[in-house]
Amino acid sequence: DQQVKQNSPSLSVQEGRISILNCDYTNSMFDYFLWYKKYPAEGPTFLISISSIKDKNEDGRFTVFLNKSAKHLSLHIVPSQPGDSAVYFCAARASGYALNFGKGTSLLVTP
Amino acid sequence: GAGVSQSPSNKVTEKGKDVELRCDPISGHTALYWYRQSLGQGLEFLIYFQGNSAPDKSGLPSDRFSAERTGGSVSTLTIQRTQQEDSAVYLCASSLEAGLAYMGYGYTFGSGTRLTVV
Repeated sequence: DQQVKQNSPSLSVQEGRISILNCDYTNSMFDYFLWYKKYPAEGPTFLISISSIKDKNEDGRFTVFLNKSAKHLSLHIVPSQPGDSAVYFCAARASGYALNFGKGTSLLVTP
Repeated sequence: GAGVSQSPSNKVTEKGKDVELRCDPISGHTALYWYRQSLGQGLEFLIYFQGNSAPDKSGLPSDRFSAERTGGSVSTLTIQRTQQEDSAVYLCASSLEAGLAYMGYGYTFGSGTRLTVV
Protein backbone atom coordinates (compact mmCIF):
# COMPACT_ATOMS: atom_id res chain seq x y z
CA ASP A 1 0.00 0.00 0.00
CA GLN A 2 1.21 3.45 -0.92
CA GLN A 3 1.67 5.40 2.31
CA VAL A 4 3.15 8.44 0.59
CA LYS A 5 1.21 9.81 -2.35
CA GLN A 6 2.10 12.42 -4.92
CA ASN A 7 -1.09 12.75 -6.90
CA SER A 8 0.23 15.09 -9.58
CA PRO A 9 2.55 13.23 -11.94
CA SER A 10 3.60 16.47 -13.63
CA LEU A 11 3.60 20.24 -13.19
CA SER A 12 4.56 23.05 -15.55
CA VAL A 13 5.48 26.50 -14.24
CA GLN A 14 6.88 29.65 -15.81
CA GLU A 15 10.34 30.81 -14.84
CA GLY A 16 10.21 33.26 -11.94
CA ARG A 17 6.86 32.02 -10.64
CA ILE A 18 6.22 29.79 -7.63
CA SER A 19 6.25 26.00 -7.97
CA ILE A 20 4.17 24.11 -5.42
CA LEU A 21 4.60 20.35 -5.20
CA ASN A 22 2.21 18.43 -3.01
CA CYS A 23 2.45 15.24 -1.03
CA ASP A 24 -0.10 13.38 1.11
CA TYR A 25 0.55 10.58 3.55
CA THR A 26 -1.49 8.07 5.48
CA ASN A 27 0.79 6.94 8.33
CA SER A 28 0.52 9.19 11.39
CA MET A 29 3.70 7.59 12.79
CA PHE A 30 5.93 9.31 10.23
CA ASP A 31 8.38 11.55 12.11
CA TYR A 32 10.56 12.94 9.33
CA PHE A 33 9.72 14.06 5.83
CA LEU A 34 12.19 14.69 3.05
CA TRP A 35 12.20 15.95 -0.51
CA TYR A 36 14.56 14.62 -3.16
CA LYS A 37 15.22 15.92 -6.65
CA LYS A 38 16.17 13.65 -9.52
CA TYR A 39 17.60 14.43 -12.94
CA PRO A 40 17.49 11.79 -15.71
CA ALA A 41 20.15 9.07 -15.43
CA GLU A 42 21.21 10.35 -12.01
CA GLY A 43 20.40 9.25 -8.49
CA PRO A 44 18.02 11.34 -6.36
CA THR A 45 19.62 14.28 -4.55
CA PHE A 46 18.53 15.32 -1.07
CA LEU A 47 16.89 18.73 -1.09
CA ILE A 48 15.27 19.56 2.24
CA SER A 49 13.71 17.82 5.23
CA ILE A 50 11.33 18.63 8.05
CA SER A 51 10.68 17.04 11.41
CA SER A 52 7.11 16.24 12.38
CA ILE A 53 7.40 18.65 15.31
CA LYS A 54 7.74 21.60 12.95
CA ASP A 55 5.41 23.07 10.38
CA LYS A 56 7.88 24.90 8.19
CA ASN A 57 11.49 24.64 7.11
CA GLU A 58 13.17 27.03 4.72
CA ASP A 59 16.42 26.78 2.79
CA GLY A 60 17.04 29.49 0.24
CA ARG A 61 14.45 29.25 -2.53
CA PHE A 62 13.00 26.05 -1.07
CA THR A 63 10.42 25.89 1.71
CA VAL A 64 8.63 22.82 2.98
CA PHE A 65 5.33 23.14 4.83
CA LEU A 66 3.86 20.38 6.96
CA ASN A 67 0.18 20.17 7.95
CA LYS A 68 -0.04 17.20 10.30
CA SER A 69 -3.78 17.40 10.83
CA ALA A 70 -4.32 17.11 7.07
CA LYS A 71 -1.41 14.66 6.64
CA HIS A 72 -0.13 16.90 3.89
CA LEU A 73 3.14 18.52 3.02
CA SER A 74 4.20 20.77 0.21
CA LEU A 75 7.42 22.03 -1.31
CA HIS A 76 7.49 25.61 -2.52
CA ILE A 77 10.17 26.80 -4.92
CA VAL A 78 10.40 30.58 -5.31
CA PRO A 79 11.41 31.84 -7.79
CA SER A 80 11.41 28.83 -10.09
CA GLN A 81 14.35 28.47 -12.47
CA PRO A 82 14.79 26.28 -15.58
CA GLY A 83 17.46 24.28 -13.71
CA ASP A 84 14.77 23.23 -11.25
CA SER A 85 13.19 21.06 -13.96
CA ALA A 86 13.46 17.54 -12.55
CA VAL A 87 11.42 14.83 -10.84
CA TYR A 88 10.72 15.59 -7.19
CA PHE A 89 10.14 12.77 -4.70
CA CYS A 90 8.51 13.13 -1.33
CA ALA A 91 9.70 10.64 1.31
CA ALA A 92 8.87 9.86 4.92
CA ARG A 93 10.19 7.76 7.76
CA ALA A 94 8.09 5.87 10.31
CA SER A 95 10.64 3.79 12.19
CA GLY A 96 13.90 2.08 11.52
CA TYR A 97 15.93 3.42 8.69
CA ALA A 98 13.81 2.85 5.59
CA LEU A 99 12.19 5.72 3.77
CA ASN A 100 8.78 5.51 2.10
CA PHE A 101 8.81 7.33 -1.20
CA GLY A 102 6.05 8.72 -3.36
CA LYS A 103 5.98 8.12 -7.11
CA GLY A 104 7.35 11.55 -7.89
CA THR A 105 6.19 14.71 -9.64
CA SER A 106 7.91 15.86 -12.81
CA LEU A 107 8.42 19.63 -12.72
CA LEU A 108 9.03 21.60 -15.92
CA VAL A 109 10.05 25.23 -15.58
CA THR A 110 9.64 27.06 -18.86
CA PRO A 111 11.49 30.25 -19.82
CA GLY B 1 35.46 8.28 -3.51
CA ALA B 2 33.64 11.52 -4.10
CA GLY B 3 30.24 9.93 -4.48
CA VAL B 4 28.36 6.64 -4.33
CA SER B 5 29.49 4.47 -7.23
CA GLN B 6 27.36 1.71 -8.71
CA SER B 7 28.22 -0.84 -11.35
CA PRO B 8 27.24 -1.82 -13.90
CA SER B 9 25.16 1.18 -14.95
CA ASN B 10 23.09 -1.05 -17.23
CA LYS B 11 22.55 -4.80 -17.20
CA VAL B 12 20.47 -6.91 -19.56
CA THR B 13 20.03 -10.51 -18.51
CA GLU B 14 18.00 -13.49 -19.53
CA LYS B 15 15.18 -14.71 -17.34
CA GLY B 16 16.45 -17.34 -14.92
CA LYS B 17 20.04 -16.07 -14.76
CA ASP B 18 21.67 -14.69 -11.60
CA VAL B 19 22.94 -11.10 -11.45
CA GLU B 20 25.20 -9.20 -9.08
CA LEU B 21 24.98 -5.46 -8.62
CA ARG B 22 27.75 -3.57 -6.89
CA CYS B 23 27.74 -0.47 -4.70
CA ASP B 24 30.75 1.45 -3.48
CA PRO B 25 29.60 3.96 -0.82
CA ILE B 26 31.20 7.25 0.14
CA SER B 27 34.31 6.65 2.21
CA GLY B 28 33.50 6.91 5.91
CA HIS B 29 29.75 6.41 5.50
CA THR B 30 28.71 3.67 7.88
CA ALA B 31 25.12 3.26 6.69
CA LEU B 32 24.28 1.75 3.30
CA TYR B 33 20.87 1.23 1.73
CA TRP B 34 19.48 -0.49 -1.35
CA TYR B 35 16.30 0.71 -3.04
CA ARG B 36 14.71 -0.09 -6.36
CA GLN B 37 12.45 1.90 -8.64
CA SER B 38 10.20 -0.02 -10.98
CA LEU B 39 8.65 1.77 -13.94
CA GLY B 40 6.09 4.34 -12.81
CA GLN B 41 6.65 3.61 -9.13
CA GLY B 42 8.34 5.31 -6.22
CA LEU B 43 11.51 4.06 -4.66
CA GLU B 44 11.04 0.82 -2.76
CA PHE B 45 13.27 0.01 0.23
CA LEU B 46 15.11 -3.31 -0.02
CA ILE B 47 17.82 -3.62 2.65
CA TYR B 48 19.89 -1.53 5.06
CA PHE B 49 23.36 -2.04 6.57
CA GLN B 50 24.75 -0.12 9.55
CA GLY B 51 28.37 -0.81 10.45
CA ASN B 52 28.82 -4.37 11.67
CA SER B 53 25.23 -4.78 12.85
CA ALA B 54 22.92 -7.38 11.33
CA PRO B 55 21.28 -5.89 8.22
CA ASP B 56 17.60 -4.94 8.06
CA LYS B 57 16.33 -7.20 5.25
CA SER B 58 12.67 -6.39 5.75
CA GLY B 59 12.24 -4.93 2.26
CA LEU B 60 13.64 -7.82 0.23
CA PRO B 61 10.74 -9.02 -1.97
CA SER B 62 11.67 -12.71 -2.05
CA ASP B 63 14.37 -15.17 -1.04
CA ARG B 64 15.86 -14.80 -4.53
CA PHE B 65 17.26 -11.48 -3.32
CA SER B 66 20.26 -11.25 -1.02
CA ALA B 67 22.89 -8.66 -0.19
CA GLU B 68 26.14 -8.50 1.63
CA ARG B 69 28.52 -5.80 2.69
CA THR B 70 32.15 -6.77 3.03
CA GLY B 71 34.47 -4.95 5.40
CA GLY B 72 31.86 -2.33 6.13
CA SER B 73 32.34 -0.81 2.69
CA VAL B 74 31.42 -2.31 -0.70
CA SER B 75 28.03 -3.99 -1.00
CA THR B 76 26.75 -6.53 -3.51
CA LEU B 77 23.07 -7.14 -4.23
CA THR B 78 22.46 -10.57 -5.77
CA ILE B 79 19.29 -11.60 -7.55
CA GLN B 80 19.02 -15.30 -8.30
CA ARG B 81 16.88 -16.80 -11.05
CA THR B 82 15.84 -13.37 -12.31
CA GLN B 83 12.25 -12.78 -13.37
CA GLN B 84 10.83 -10.10 -15.66
CA GLU B 85 9.25 -8.33 -12.69
CA ASP B 86 12.77 -7.77 -11.31
CA SER B 87 13.37 -5.25 -14.11
CA ALA B 88 13.94 -1.90 -12.40
CA VAL B 89 16.55 0.68 -11.50
CA TYR B 90 18.42 -0.48 -8.42
CA LEU B 91 19.71 2.41 -6.34
CA CYS B 92 22.27 2.34 -3.58
CA ALA B 93 22.64 5.12 -1.03
CA SER B 94 24.91 5.82 1.91
CA SER B 95 24.92 8.17 4.88
CA LEU B 96 27.37 9.10 7.62
CA GLU B 97 25.31 7.15 10.07
CA ALA B 98 21.69 6.14 9.95
CA GLY B 99 20.54 8.57 12.61
CA LEU B 100 21.72 11.55 10.59
CA ALA B 101 19.94 10.51 7.42
CA TYR B 102 16.83 12.47 8.38
CA MET B 103 18.06 15.45 10.35
CA GLY B 104 18.87 17.63 7.41
CA TYR B 105 21.39 15.39 5.71
CA GLY B 106 19.45 12.79 3.78
CA TYR B 107 21.09 9.97 1.91
CA THR B 108 23.56 10.30 -0.95
CA PHE B 109 22.38 8.12 -3.81
CA GLY B 110 24.37 6.55 -6.60
CA SER B 111 23.21 6.80 -10.21
CA GLY B 112 21.74 3.32 -10.10
CA THR B 113 21.91 0.12 -12.13
CA ARG B 114 19.19 -0.29 -14.74
CA LEU B 115 18.37 -4.00 -14.81
CA THR B 116 16.38 -5.42 -17.71
CA VAL B 117 15.31 -9.05 -17.62
CA VAL B 118 14.36 -10.40 -21.04
